[in-house]
Amino acid sequence: QKEVEQNSGPLSVPEGAIASLNCTYSDRGSQSFFWYRQYSGKSPELIMSIYSNGDKEDGRFTAQLNKASQYVSLLIRDSQPSDSATYLCATLIYNFNKFYFGSGTKLNVKP
Amino acid sequence: NAGVTQTPKFQVLKTGQSMTLQCAQDMNHNSMYWYRQDPGMGLRLIYYSASEGTTDKGEVPNGYNVSRLNKREFSLRLESAAPSQTSVYFCASSTSTGDQPQHFGDGTRLSIL
Repeated sequence: QKEVEQNSGPLSVPEGAIASLNCTYSDRGSQSFFWYRQYSGKSPELIMSIYSNGDKEDGRFTAQLNKASQYVSLLIRDSQPSDSATYLCATLIYNFNKFYFGSGTKLNVKP
Repeated sequence: NAGVTQTPKFQVLKTGQSMTLQCAQDMNHNSMYWYRQDPGMGLRLIYYSASEGTTDKGEVPNGYNVSRLNKREFSLRLESAAPSQTSVYFCASSTSTGDQPQHFGDGTRLSIL
């Protein structure tokens, strides 16, 4: 079992819709959670961090964390074609400085 | 605002050749990492250095060596390149305390013929 699981996709949504990306993790010691966006041929870019249960909003992006269910999600409102990328979920157990990355979900936003 | 700098950006090697990938960060981070990324495989950790003077194996260390030259620099060496090492290599860094994320370099695209 992988530490962080993501559906590989592709997830296709029309422009203007809400894209919902999901991630589950196995280690209950995970303390910090991150979403990275990776465009084709580019490096991962941090877009959201979340540390406590609930929602965290930043512009069109909302990260949601449920530690009891070991579940993290990223919502992208008013999706744009420029949001088309692979989204990587990552967790951190910072007592051990252990990062774990999911394999990523590919998002296609159709004009 | 250089962040994490990797050199070279592209490289083509012949099987059996050796080379060193360089990585430097200017964020005063303690921890540095080397990953490889292959299609459909996600990021796989090769080696990491929690702090200056220490290195540890990750998930896929075979065929690689690393050197943490100082706090800023962390290099990855392929002693005898094999076609299976064709990949995109990313260096990343982070603080070793607290809850901060990793920051990535632009990557090195390496082809082994």
